[in-house]
Amino acid sequence: QKEVEQDPGPLSVPEGAIVSLNCTYSNSAFQYFMWYRQYSRKGPELLMYTYSSGNKEDGRFTAQVDKSSKYISLFIRDSQPSDSATYLCAMSETSYDKVIFGPGTSLSVIP
Amino acid sequence: NAGVTQTPKFQVLKTGQSMTLQCAQDMNHNSMYWYRQDPGMGLRLIYYSASEGTTDKGEVPNGYNVSRLNKREFSLRLESAAPSQTSVYFCASSELIETQYFGPGTRLLVL
Repeated sequence: QKEVEQDPGPLSVPEGAIVSLNCTYSNSAFQYFMWYRQYSRKGPELLMYTYSSGNKEDGRFTAQVDKSSKYISLFIRDSQPSDSATYLCAMSETSYDKVIFGPGTSLSVIP
Repeated sequence: NAGVTQTPKFQVLKTGQSMTLQCAQDMNHNSMYWYRQDPGMGLRLIYYSASEGTTDKGEVPNGYNVSRLNKREFSLRLESAAPSQTSVYFCASSELIETQYFGPGTRLLVL
């Protein structure tokens, strides 16, 4: 079993839709949870960061962590064509430790 | 302020050849990382350096060596390239997990 699992997609939605992206993990020691966005042929960029359980909101993006279920989610409201990218979840045990990435979900937002 | 820079951007090697991928950051970060990204596999950590003078193996270190030359620079060396090392290589740096920045990547093709 991989440490971090993520549905690769591709996921295609119409503009304005609410998008839900999810990851599951097996290591209960993970405490830091990140979401990265990667445009085609570019490096990943940090989108959201959450420590431990709970929700975090930033504009149209909401990150949720459920440590009891070992499940994290990223919600995108009012999705835009510019949101079309690959979304990678990532996790770490400490703030100074190595980061483990999921394989990424490819998202296309159709105008 | 260039962030994280990587050279070269693209390289073709023959099996058995050696090469060094260079990475530099100008953000005064302590931690630096090398990842490879393959279709369906996501980002996998090759080596990381939590501080100047230290390096640690990641998930897929075999066939690679690293050098943390100073606080700014972290190089990745392939001593004898193999077709299985065809990939996109990303360097990243961070102070804390929430400030991890990636370079633009090096596309490597081993024939």
